[in-house]
Amino acid sequence: DIQMTQSPSTLSASVGDRVTITCRASQTIYNWLAWYQQKPGKAPKLLIYKASILESGVPSRFSASGSGTEFTLTISSLQPDDFATYYCQRYNSYPWTFGQGTKVDIK
Amino acid sequence: QVTLRESGPALVRPTQTLRLTCTFSGFSLTTNGMCMSWVRQPPGKALEWLALIDWADDKFYTTSLKTRITISKDTSKNQVVLTMTNVDPVDTATYYCARSTSWTLGAFDLWGQGTLVTVSS
Repeated sequence: DIQMTQSPSTLSASVGDRVTITCRASQTIYNWLAWYQQKPGKAPKLLIYKASILESGVPSRFSASGSGTEFTLTISSLQPDDFATYYCQRYNSYPWTFGQGTKVDIK
Repeated sequence: QVTLRESGPALVRPTQTLRLTCTFSGFSLTTNGMCMSWVRQPPGKALEWLALIDWADDKFYTTSLKTRITISKDTSKNQVVLTMTNVDPVDTATYYCARSTSWTLGAFDLWGQGTLVTVSS
């Protein structure tokens, strides 16, 4: 199975910071990658699909890029509502897999 | 209104069979490109995709659990069911159902609230 590795596992940042999270695949997944945000006790929320397409209603401070095996999620100016855990997920072939998550907490 | 809701037992004994139901509204699983998955999350851990069923009744499973889980659908009831045999305490998790469509090209655009299942004697 193709493995997804996120880095860092935890990221401490302040409001207004630019934040970047990386997701690497163990082999090419082309651009079949999604990013989700999850807050404690809540279901994940789709932010990005097909590596760089912003889901409807998601603030434009979120952006993403990448293809092949390396992908990034960027929050241009971190807001209080953005403190959460972020997951990447590949869906190029079965079985689908998630990364292990990146927790963004308050510095 | 488009919604998903998971239901099932909160507590299951080891070796028993777990049956979870996802009841949805606002869309049809007979629509071309529509898919439903089960995803779980052990307490404090990462998300794990388990299984998917699509509009054509094709089914796909995660490698580690493929001998123990079955996904099925009842389109007349707008339900998707996950069955897991021979459960173990490591199967304790919040179980989510999630939708993916041709619009989001497979990514999960809609999730249920999740249901916590504890496996314990």
